[in-house]
Amino acid sequence: QKEVEQNSGPLSVPEGAIASLNCTYSDRVSQSFFWYRQYSGKSPELIMSIYSNGDKEDGRFTAQLNKASQYVSLLIRDSQPSDSATYLCAVKGGGSEKLVFGKGMKLTVNP
Amino acid sequence: NAGVMQNPRHLVRRRGQEARLRCSPMKGHSHVYWYRQLPEEGLKFMVYLQKENIIDESGMPKERFSAEFPKEGPSILRIQQVVRGDSAAYFCASSPDRDGQPQHFGDGTRLSIL
Repeated sequence: QKEVEQNSGPLSVPEGAIASLNCTYSDRVSQSFFWYRQYSGKSPELIMSIYSNGDKEDGRFTAQLNKASQYVSLLIRDSQPSDSATYLCAVKGGGSEKLVFGKGMKLTVNP
Repeated sequence: NAGVMQNPRHLVRRRGQEARLRCSPMKGHSHVYWYRQLPEEGLKFMVYLQKENIIDESGMPKERFSAEFPKEGPSILRIQQVVRGDSAAYFCASSPDRDGQPQHFGDGTRLSIL
């Protein structure tokens, strides 16, 4: 049974701070890793994908992957109130195309 | 709008009725996935389809639920004899026919059972 665990939340940061969200996964053969943002009552929106060890940066977002530790994280720099949402970690691999999601971390950025 | 299209956005059914949820993938995408999100819970995979084929239905309940993706037309998720516990948001996602590509989600169908 593949599992994806996210830190228990919620997480609250002041505007302009760095928000750090973490995720661990159980299936060592996982190959593809994604972060989705979901506003309340809305659909998940893809914000980052990462496939190899190391960092991947896109604007204010940086995804970090460590396959040896089975760990993936998302950093949001210069956090804005509009970043307030639930962030979902999702993992795929091991011959399966289905995404396995964590339960999500609710982030609040306070003005 | 070239995104994943789902309809209806909201669906109300009484216990025992049938619910049909539709999904048209993004242009150029041939893979369709259905996920369910229960209140205050994460997204759970239900089924993965390609045109005229069910590839993985490991997340589908054994009874009352079925899915199809015909050669022509949208993918359909069908729930027969709905019960209160079927109330949830049902999301469809699609991806192109290349390994490892991200899935993009539609706006979902919010199903409420009276």
